[in-house]
Amino acid sequence: ETGVTQTPRHLVMGMTNKKSLKCEQHLGHNAMYWYKQSAKKPLELMFVYSLEERVENNSVPSRFSPECPNSSHLFLHLHTLQPEDSALYLCASSQGEAAYTEAFFGQGTRLTVV
Amino acid sequence: AQTVTQSQPEMSVQEAETVTLSCTYDTSESDYYLFWYKQPPSRQMILVIRQEAYKQQNATENRFSVNFQKAAKSFSLKISDSQLGDAAMYFCAYRSTDSNYQLIWGAGTKLIIKP
Repeated sequence: ETGVTQTPRHLVMGMTNKKSLKCEQHLGHNAMYWYKQSAKKPLELMFVYSLEERVENNSVPSRFSPECPNSSHLFLHLHTLQPEDSALYLCASSQGEAAYTEAFFGQGTRLTVV
Repeated sequence: AQTVTQSQPEMSVQEAETVTLSCTYDTSESDYYLFWYKQPPSRQMILVIRQEAYKQQNATENRFSVNFQKAAKSFSLKISDSQLGDAAMYFCAYRSTDSNYQLIWGAGTKLIIKP
C-alpha cells in the first residue's frame, strides 16, 4: 500500500448530517491534499496543506471544511451537503513542492449524500 | 489555463499484447512535468511514470514507456506485454514548475485486459 490511509471507506449521509473524513499518512511528508473524484471527470483539487498551513483552496463551498492538526493528519468536515457532492474523496500526500514530486494517494472515501 | 485531454474513455487489449493510451495537453509554458497515474479497481492511485518537458529522451519504467512529443503537446503511454494486473483507470496529469502543488488531470482511460 501507499502509506496513506483514509477512513471511512464508505459513507452515506443525509443532507442535514455532519460527518468527517479522516486521512493519515505514515510517510513523513509535509504536504497533504483533498481531491474530489467524480465519474468521467478529471480529479478536482479541493485543498492543499503545506506544513499544516492551507496553501490552496480551489473555490470549494463552505459546506466542506478542512482541518490539518499536524503534518500526518488531515480531516474534511462535511455539513449540509447536497446530492451532487456524492463522489469519491481522495486524500494524497507529497514531500515538498517541487513539480516532479510524486503524490501518494489513499484508497478514498466513497460518499453518498441522500 | 492548462488543460489535459484523454480522448479514449475506454481501451481494451489482449493479454501479452501492446497498447497505447493517448494524452494531449495545452499550455503556453516551456517547462513542466507530465505524469501517468494508475488507479486499479478499489485500490490506491499510484504513479506509473513521469517526464520532464526539458528532457528529450522518453521516460521508461520496465514495461511502461512514453512517447513525448513536445511540439505536438502529446504524451502517450505505451504498455508492453500487457498483464491482467494492468487493468485500471489511467490518468494523465500536468504540472507547471510554477504551479505550487496544482496538478491538472485528464478524465482518465479505463484499460481492460482480455485474457
